[in-house]
Amino acid sequence: EAQVTQNPRYLITVTGKKLTVTCSQNMNHEYMSWYRQDPGLGLRQIYYSMNVEVTDKGDVPEGYKVSRKEKRNFPLILESPSPNQTSLYFCASNPNRPGTGWASGANVLTFGAGSRLTVL
Amino acid sequence: GIQVEQSPPDLILQEGANSTLRCNFSDSVNNLQWFHQNPWGQLINLFYIPSGTKQNGRLSATTVATERYSLLYISSSQTTDSGVYFCAVEPGYSTLTFGKGTMLLVSP
Repeated sequence: EAQVTQNPRYLITVTGKKLTVTCSQNMNHEYMSWYRQDPGLGLRQIYYSMNVEVTDKGDVPEGYKVSRKEKRNFPLILESPSPNQTSLYFCASNPNRPGTGWASGANVLTFGAGSRLTVL
Repeated sequence: GIQVEQSPPDLILQEGANSTLRCNFSDSVNNLQWFHQNPWGQLINLFYIPSGTKQNGRLSATTVATERYSLLYISSSQTTDSGVYFCAVEPGYSTLTFGKGTMLLVSP
């Protein structure tokens, strides 16, 4: 089954304790991204990756790191979590980079199930 | 960056009613998608619709790219339609930007 898998689904941690949220897709998609969702703010992009070893900041990158060593994996790293990073996080993947493939209708974003993170 | 505004922010319907959700955007776009987030938080793509009209069962969507808006129609609403509806747009070679969503509650 084609899917985006992220783990953990739920996590409660304490300020300053490094954590990693994993994301993996099995669709050979080029493009992957991380979003956070907060009440009243919709989804805001944290980081995205156009392909292996190519990553870039989204709208709210502060306090986060990412890596893309393999096409299928795109982990989100919180080096020193703070309470303002308490949020619902989504990983997503897209067949093509933005701006390409739109004519074929191929650029449909597929989301993981979400990871609810609480930082105390 | 591009601005995406969705209206209304909240909507309460009786089961069986019809509704129209609107998405306005401030610049030309190559990509526009509608998503539904169910009460369990799952985000599902409904439509990829940078222009024109598409229908899928009781749902349909229309994007008028020249006037920079898109509409999502829900007919004969059901309780399972409840959740948040997001519009997301991709301007040029930038990445998808989401609106803040319309929260829909369909009561039996």
